[in-house]
Amino acid sequence: SQQGEEDPQALSIQEGENATMNCSYKTSINNLQWYRQNSGRGLVHLILIRSNEREKHSGRLRVTLDTSKKSSSLLITASRAADTASYFCATGLTNDYKLSFGAGTTVTVRA
Amino acid sequence: DTGVSQNPRHKITKRGQNVTFRCDPISEHNRLYWYRQTLGQGPEFLTYFQNEAQLEKSRLLSDRFSAERPKGSFSTLEIQRTEQGDSAMYLCASSSYQDRTDTQYFGPGTRLTVL
Repeated sequence: SQQGEEDPQALSIQEGENATMNCSYKTSINNLQWYRQNSGRGLVHLILIRSNEREKHSGRLRVTLDTSKKSSSLLITASRAADTASYFCATGLTNDYKLSFGAGTTVTVRA
Repeated sequence: DTGVSQNPRHKITKRGQNVTFRCDPISEHNRLYWYRQTLGQGPEFLTYFQNEAQLEKSRLLSDRFSAERPKGSFSTLEIQRTEQGDSAMYLCASSSYQDRTDTQYFGPGTRLTVL
């Protein structure tokens, strides 16, 4: 079973706009990670945030984590056509190396 | 660092046939994972190796599935007597215990189609 749920399922934005997607999960976690997947390809790791962190930045990406609400958000600023992809959140538990993925948010950036 | 590689990239087979996939992790990564991804879903964990030891298997891994990692380097995933429900993308990932974050790096996947 999948631990995380992303919202929305799909998102369409204009180039230059910001894209925000959310992830909710069910159990206490050690870390939460975001991955990107271009159509039919493997996953690319974007960013990891630990359970004791609240916010993290990497380039145009900003991730927040609210453990009290069991939720995380990924913000992509100034989106580009190359950001068109599916984005997945994945949770890692303490002493458990496997990741549990949500169903993903499909982002389309229109030129 | 050449990344995680998987072969073949695509496999079409008839129901009832056996298939084997190979994963070559990033060199010196001691942890290796297999996941399965069906259309419109996120990856689901199948099994995990630390060096050559298979430490965990998902209930998704029926007795028709077997995975090995001889010598703690590459890994193979074999599916016997394939069924149409086995059609999916099979993803391999690796990580290093020396990486405190234990970030998993994924390969491009093997897409299996069972006719």
